[in-house]
Amino acid sequence: KNQVEQSPQSLIILEGKNCTLQCNYTVSPFSNLRWYKQDTGRGPVSLTIMTFSENTKSNGRYTATLDADTKQSSLHITASQLSDSASYICVVKGYSTLTFGKGTMLLVSP
Amino acid sequence: EAGVVQSPRYKIIEKKQPVAFWCNPISGHNTLYWYRQNLGQGPELLIRYENEEAVDDSQLPKDRFSAERLKGVDSTLKIQPAELGDSAVYLCASSPQQGGGSYEQYFGPGTRLTVT
Repeated sequence: KNQVEQSPQSLIILEGKNCTLQCNYTVSPFSNLRWYKQDTGRGPVSLTIMTFSENTKSNGRYTATLDADTKQSSLHITASQLSDSASYICVVKGYSTLTFGKGTMLLVSP
Repeated sequence: EAGVVQSPRYKIIEKKQPVAFWCNPISGHNTLYWYRQNLGQGPELLIRYENEEAVDDSQLPKDRFSAERLKGVDSTLKIQPAELGDSAVYLCASSPQQGGGSYEQYFGPGTRLTVT
C-alpha cells in the first residue's frame, strides 16, 4: 500500500531558528515528490517538486532533499519567520496517483 | 491570472440536507481534482477529471456523493444527504495535465462544511 509518513507531527520553534521536517514514503512506482505549505484556512501551495534524479532543490529559505534509495525526503527551513507558521505536507506521485502525508504543523514563536 | 475559485467558502447545514460546492479551475487546465481534508489530515482524493471525463472516482462515496464537469471547465460536487461525518474542508485543484508528468497542482481555498 502506498504510504507517506511525516515527522514530527507538530513543531514549535523560535523565530530566526532553523528546522527540518521529515518525510518517508513507500510509493511505487515513484514519479516525483512535492512539498506543500498550507496556511490555516487556505489551500496548499507548492514549495518544491523533485524527480528521481534530483537530490536537492531550493525555494528561497526552503530547501528540500530527496534520497530515492532510502525513500526519504526532508524540508529544511532557514531563518524561520512568523509567516512560516503553517502545515507542511509531503506528497508523492506514483504513475497517476498522489499520496499525501498528514502534514507537520509548524508554529514559529516570536 | 486568477487562481482556482471555489464557492461557497463556508457552509453549515443540518444532517440529511443536500449541499453543493462549485469550482472554477485555472483557465486552460484540463485536469480537475476534488479532495476532502479532515482536520489534522492531508487531503484525500475524491475524484479526478481529465476534461469532462471522470478518470478516477474510486474513493468517491457514490451512494451520497456525485460530481459533474459537463463542459470540461467548472465542476460541481454534491452531497445528498449529508451526514455528520462529512464535516470537512473540500478542496478543488487543477493542473495543466496529468499522466506521468511533473505538472504542478494548484489548489483553491476550499469550502469548509459543517454538518450539525
